[in-house]
Amino acid sequence: DAGITQSPRYKITETGRQVTLMCHQTWSHSYMFWYRQDLGHGLRLIYYSAAADITDKGEVPDGYVVSRSKTENFPLTLESATRSQTSVYFCASSDPGQGYEKLFFGSGTQLSVL
Amino acid sequence: AQSVAQPEDQVNVAEGNPLTVKCTYSVSGNPYLFWYVQYPNRGLQFLLKYITGDNLVKGSYGFEAEFNKSQTSFHLKKPSALVSDSALYFCAVRPHYGNNRKLIWGLGTSLAVNP
Repeated sequence: DAGITQSPRYKITETGRQVTLMCHQTWSHSYMFWYRQDLGHGLRLIYYSAAADITDKGEVPDGYVVSRSKTENFPLTLESATRSQTSVYFCASSDPGQGYEKLFFGSGTQLSVL
Repeated sequence: AQSVAQPEDQVNVAEGNPLTVKCTYSVSGNPYLFWYVQYPNRGLQFLLKYITGDNLVKGSYGFEAEFNKSQTSFHLKKPSALVSDSALYFCAVRPHYGNNRKLIWGLGTSLAVNP
């Protein structure tokens, strides 16, 4: 199906482990984003990408790594997971032709770091 | 500092009644304004946006929003609420000036529509 898909849907890991969250979109949107959603903080931008091989930091990038070798994929890696990274993570994409700010979100990954 | 405020954590309305979800902003220049909705266990969905022009903007699912420059507000409205409108609503702003393409988000307002 066309759209933006995230995997896994749920993930439990332990502190210190490396975790990669996957994001794939079929629209060929140039922009992609990673947000985390936490109670009391709303949505916070972790990283974003304007095109393949172009990434930039958002508000809360520490402890996260991204890559974008292909337009359709934008994985997010937690290099050494910490409990403070327990959150719901959303990937989103947008196409400047439709308005950069019209974001299309995936269904999210609920990550628990024990 | 630039910010977006959604002053109500929760709004309760009866089905069939009009609803309003409030949003105010503190951003320099003439911002772009947006509303998104999040249904349980789902990602956010775009509802509507204001860039310029008519202060009343119509969006998806019968929602509309009114831009008020003097009050720096962008309240979301619907004339007749449905139980299926129960969800979390987010207001977002993008400053008009500069090369900063990052949206500033409110913390969200939980809307409960009672049958």
